[in-house]
Amino acid sequence: DTAVSQTPKYLVTQMGNDKSIKCEQNLGHDTMYWYKQDSKKFLKIMFSYNNKELIINETVPNRFSPKSPDKAHLNLHINSLELGDSAVYFCASTQASASSGQMSFQETQYFGPGTRLLVL
Amino acid sequence: GQNIDQPTEMTATEGAIVQINCTYQTSGFNGLFWYQQHAGEAPTFLSYNVLDGLEEKGRFSSFLSRSKGYSYLLLKELQMKDSASYLCAVTDSNYQLIWGAGTKLIIKP
Repeated sequence: DTAVSQTPKYLVTQMGNDKSIKCEQNLGHDTMYWYKQDSKKFLKIMFSYNNKELIINETVPNRFSPKSPDKAHLNLHINSLELGDSAVYFCASTQASASSGQMSFQETQYFGPGTRLLVL
Repeated sequence: GQNIDQPTEMTATEGAIVQINCTYQTSGFNGLFWYQQHAGEAPTFLSYNVLDGLEEKGRFSSFLSRSKGYSYLLLKELQMKDSASYLCAVTDSNYQLIWGAGTKLIIKP
């Protein structure tokens, strides 16, 4: 069974469109993340959710809106897509809460396979 | 600002040993991770260091010196399948992961 899954795997769309990427984890983890990996391979955190509550919201455009219907799912909706949004988007999850103070292997993040978004 | 530095690319020979260095300047420190990422795939966990010293796990070892803000990943008996990018990431005082850009490791026969 896939621990962290994302759909779709590939997404090609036109500028100005609205699209969503879905993420699900079956690990029973408390915290989920969205990362953007650009062409230079930097992984930049976009959002983090702990038990359905937003706990990190980096300076991303408000065209990006995360939605977490339950702690096993964290979806990413993008409005008015722009060329610069083209990247690979990774979902990840971890057992520990980011504010829990735990320092252990439980902080290991498990990544989904990524969604390759191309905006034309 | 927060910064993680790694070499952009390294080349090594199959069967040899390679050391990938990582230096960091972050606001606080709560652990350092090494991840492996094959082209077109998601990062996978390799190691976690929070105390100074060497952690050995099979062919891979990771070293940490907190006073120097320095870590390295040591890969022994290199295999062709080890060709990948190796990402260093540090958890800061807010438990946010700060990622390096990764080191692309090329293994030659």
